Amino acid sequence: RKEVEQDPGPFNVPEGATVAFNCTYSNSASQSFFWYRQDCRKEPKLLMSVYSSGNEDGRFTAQLNRASQYISLLIRDSKLSDSATYLCVVNSRINNDMRFGAGTRLTVKP
Amino acid sequence: GAGVSQSPRYKVAKRGQDVALRCDPISGHVSLFWYQQALGQGPEFLTYFQNEAQLDKSGLPSDRFFAERPEGSVSTLKIQRTQQEDSAVYLCASSSPRYTGELFFGEGSRLTVL
Repeated sequence: RKEVEQDPGPFNVPEGATVAFNCTYSNSASQSFFWYRQDCRKEPKLLMSVYSSGNEDGRFTAQLNRASQYISLLIRDSKLSDSATYLCVVNSRINNDMRFGAGTRLTVKP
Repeated sequence: GAGVSQSPRYKVAKRGQDVALRCDPISGHVSLFWYQQALGQGPEFLTYFQNEAQLDKSGLPSDRFFAERPEGSVSTLKIQRTQQEDSAVYLCASSSPRYTGELFFGEGSRLTVL
């Protein structure tokens, strides 16, 4: 079983839709959580960190449930430019290494 | 430099050939990571350095893979006797000593083994 698992996707949604991605992690020692975005044939870039209390950045909302070892990302009012692969990332403070999920591909259509 | 630099950007190797991939992290970044990304997959962890110390190499797929960072800055990932399944993009990332969780990635080295 992979340490970080994500919805396989792909998600194809119209502009303006709300879409949610889920991620689960297996290492209960995990301390930090992130969502990264990766455009086609580009390197991953940090989208946002995920805090225990949940956090919001514009149209993006991230939530963490430590008890269920579950992370989510909600995108409201999706734009064409949101089309990308969204990667769930988990860090273990013990090793301080960062483990990525396989990614969920989102395509926003006009 | 301003960002993480990787070279070569593209490498075509014949099966059985040895390859070396270089990563020049952002100056002052203590942590350095190598990932392997196959087409349509997420980055798979290979190894992690803190300064010159290789703290985790659990992701290296076989003893044909070797990474080093002898002076705590530039790192090299070496793959011996390449196989077709080694074809992938190899991503290097570094992060700040003031831990923010943000990894800064290079553009990757795309390896094709024929």
